Amino acid sequence: DIQMTQSPSTLSASVGDRVTITCRASQSINNWLAWYQQKPGKAPKLLIYKASSLESGVPSRFSGSGSGTEFTLTISSLQPDDFATYYCQQYNSYSWTFGQGTKVEIK
Amino acid sequence: QVQLQESGPGLVKPSQTLSLTCTVSGGSISSGDYYWSWIRQPPGKGLEWIGYIYYSGSTDYNPSLKSRVTISVDTSKNQFSLKLSSVTAADTAVYYCAGKRGYTSGFVYWGQGTLVTVSS
Repeated sequence: DIQMTQSPSTLSASVGDRVTITCRASQSINNWLAWYQQKPGKAPKLLIYKASSLESGVPSRFSGSGSGTEFTLTISSLQPDDFATYYCQQYNSYSWTFGQGTKVEIK
Repeated sequence: QVQLQESGPGLVKPSQTLSLTCTVSGGSISSGDYYWSWIRQPPGKGLEWIGYIYYSGSTDYNPSLKSRVTISVDTSKNQFSLKLSSVTAADTAVYYCAGKRGYTSGFVYWGQGTLVTVSS
């Protein structure tokens, strides 16, 4: 299995901050990576796919980059609605795997 | 707009089989390039992909669960189902059904999730 490791596990930030979350794969996954946002009691929501493609309807303050084994999700200016847990997910090979999550908290 | 809804028992006894169904509305389950999947999340923990059934009918499962999992589809009812056998307390989780749009995209459609507790 391909292991996905996110860092940090928790991130404290303020509204307006630029936030970056890193996701590392245990082997190359090319650019087959998605990012999701999950709020308490809700299903995850797709933000980014194919490492850097913004899903329709997702605000442009979200962006993704990377390829191979290292990827980042950036929120350019954190908004109150962005406090949530974020997960990366690889789909380069079967079976698909998720990172352990990064919780973005209010500072 | 495609919507997904999970249904099934919220309580399952240890060693028994967990059975859930996902009803897809707003679109045909057998048309289009979708991987219909089950994903679970133990309380307070992260997401685990369980397996998928492709619109063509092919399946693939998480190797750690493969011996206990079966995913099937009923196109006449626009539903797909999960069976997980020999459950233990470690299988207690919120179970989501989800739709992955083709190989290049992520899981774009999600059900609301249903909590299944394994307890005697």
